[in-house]
Amino acid sequence: GAGVSQSPRYKVAKRGQDVALRCDPISGHVSLFWYQQALGQGPEFLTYFQNEAQLDKSGLPSDRFFAERPEGSVSTLKIQRTQQEDSAVYLCASVRGSGSNQPQHFGDGTRLSIL
Amino acid sequence: AQSVSQHNHHVILSEAASLELGCNYSYGGTVNLFWYVQYPGQHLQLLLKYFSGDPLVKGIKGFEAEFIKSKFSFNLRKPSVQWSDTAEYFCAVNPSSGGSYIPTFGRGTSLIVHP
Repeated sequence: GAGVSQSPRYKVAKRGQDVALRCDPISGHVSLFWYQQALGQGPEFLTYFQNEAQLDKSGLPSDRFFAERPEGSVSTLKIQRTQQEDSAVYLCASVRGSGSNQPQHFGDGTRLSIL
Repeated sequence: AQSVSQHNHHVILSEAASLELGCNYSYGGTVNLFWYVQYPGQHLQLLLKYFSGDPLVKGIKGFEAEFIKSKFSFNLRKPSVQWSDTAEYFCAVNPSSGGSYIPTFGRGTSLIVHP
């Protein structure tokens, strides 16, 4: 069965450019999470959707970060005017329901490098 | 806000050795607890979870974990490791009350098993 798909797998951008990262969750999964993972660290929460509603964006580091999930399935994380500290792996995870006892299903991540 | 501490960042074992990875969390309410594993070149996947009932839970590949509420701990164990257990292991905590179902991950433990 299809898992969570993220694209691109790798992205290199020059400082100041805008980037868009895509996440295709498991079909029918209600909840979708975005995380940022620095080298040697665990995933850090960025934002969370339940269907198309963005319920929590408290983890977004600045107003340069923006996420959307307009039809309640595919989600895009956009970073404007990228900076070197944005370099990290960006993980997407989907959850079947909305309960906190349900496991997260992760994609392979997008490794973002800002030059 | 909750936090998760994984004390061992790097563990090196020989095959057939026993494994115990520590995980402690801080949160005042009830929680759901997870261990995820990331094998080289693969995405994060669920190893086991606890949300109620028997505090000793069994997961895939012979892993188990014990929830000790009084110690705020959820340590991962395996009696005899194999070379194929080489991976990164992440502990995660998700509040089960309070309305904010945002998981917090530990920074991970890198396990290397020598054949």
